[in-house]
Amino acid sequence: EVQLVESGGGLVQPGGSLRLSCAASGFTFSRYWMHWVRQAPGKRLVWVSRINSDGSSTSYADSVKGRFTISRDDAKNTLYLQMNSLRDEDTAVYYCARDPTVAAYFDSWGQGTLVTVSS
Amino acid sequence: ETVMTQSPVTLSVSPGERATLSCRASQSVTNKLAWYQQKPGQAPRLLIYDASTRATGIPARFSGSGSGTEFTLTISSLQSEDSAIYYCQQCINWPWTFGQGTKVEIK
Repeated sequence: EVQLVESGGGLVQPGGSLRLSCAASGFTFSRYWMHWVRQAPGKRLVWVSRINSDGSSTSYADSVKGRFTISRDDAKNTLYLQMNSLRDEDTAVYYCARDPTVAAYFDSWGQGTLVTVSS
Repeated sequence: ETVMTQSPVTLSVSPGERATLSCRASQSVTNKLAWYQQKPGQAPRLLIYDASTRATGIPARFSGSGSGTEFTLTISSLQSEDSAIYYCQQCINWPWTFGQGTKVEIK
């Protein structure tokens, strides 16, 4: 069974940093592109970032470019999102999601981790 | 950016009746359109991809149609467990974008 388990969320002050992790199991993690998607309370889903299967290519939404960094450790079956210079508007539940065919839709999601940016 | 607009915002349907949800894209996304179901406090679940292909394990009462800029998700006979918010997502124009959701309520 495919499982994605996020961790690392919490309360952080504006300008602060957090690193999110997503532990994957039940599939060959190294073969898949992976994404981060976020959802502010009561709002729509928003794509944040993606990384290809070997980690050599990444892309970011304009709203996080230059502040967030996506990475992966295939030996640990783990996806990461380093978030720096956090802003109030980054407050959201962050989901990691698997891209099954490099087609930018998401067939498996984690349960999400809440990031709250507030002073 | 491709803007995805869903209608209606809320849909109230009796059990056993048909529910029809719409999604419009601001520019063509060919057939690269996915639908997700999200229940309160849960992660989204993939229902449909490539506009009309059901994901693994999704009941046959869920079907998708459309191409270009106009898409439809149909739930042929609504069950109580189908109460949720449904999102469409375009998967072809970067950045990939979602609609604002349609909330399906059981009447």
